[in-house]
Amino acid sequence: EIVMTQSPATLSVSPGERATLSCRASQSVSSNLAWYQQKPGQAPRLLVFGASTRATGIPARFSGSGSGTEFTLTISSLQSEDFAVYYCQQYNNWPPWTFGQGTKVEIK
Amino acid sequence: QVQLVESGGAVVQPGGSLRLSCAASGFTFSGYGMHWVRQAPGKGLEWVAFIRSDGSNKYYADSVKGRFTISRDNSKNTLYLQMNSLRVEDTAVYYCAKNYGRYFDLWGRGTLVSVSS
Repeated sequence: EIVMTQSPATLSVSPGERATLSCRASQSVSSNLAWYQQKPGQAPRLLVFGASTRATGIPARFSGSGSGTEFTLTISSLQSEDFAVYYCQQYNNWPPWTFGQGTKVEIK
Repeated sequence: QVQLVESGGAVVQPGGSLRLSCAASGFTFSGYGMHWVRQAPGKGLEWVAFIRSDGSNKYYADSVKGRFTISRDNSKNTLYLQMNSLRVEDTAVYYCAKNYGRYFDLWGRGTLVSVSS
């Protein structure tokens, strides 16, 4: 099973600032990596797939990068609606599909 | 409207059974594999089970293998999760999610299962 590790657990950022979230896989997942956003009481929403392709309707301030074992999600200028928990997920080796433990982006 | 709506969550005693449903609309349900994913209170996401579009193959997390059964009825656009021998650690919000390219492009709002005596 591939273990996904996200850092940091919590990221405190001021509105308008840049946020950088990291995700590491225990072995290579090529570019088969997705990012999801989850707000309190809501279902997760797909942000990025293929490590760097934004899903339909996702603003350009969200960008994904990386391949192999190291990945990054960058939010270029945080808006109020972006404060949430973000999960990475690998879909290269399945089953099981595995998620990171999440990074909470909170208001500084 | 493209959506998934889960139902069937409840409070159940350890050792009990429950069947969850997920009603799909707005897309060709029979054309896509489907997943169940759960989230324990205050915790992260855990994949539970997957079924191919035609029901030909099913996969389970080790934590539920032998106790949970995923199925679907394409004529009713509905996904199911039969949960038997429930444990306290199965307490979670259960989401159904649509598979697209092996990632999950559409999620329902979830249904809460609470296992408690």
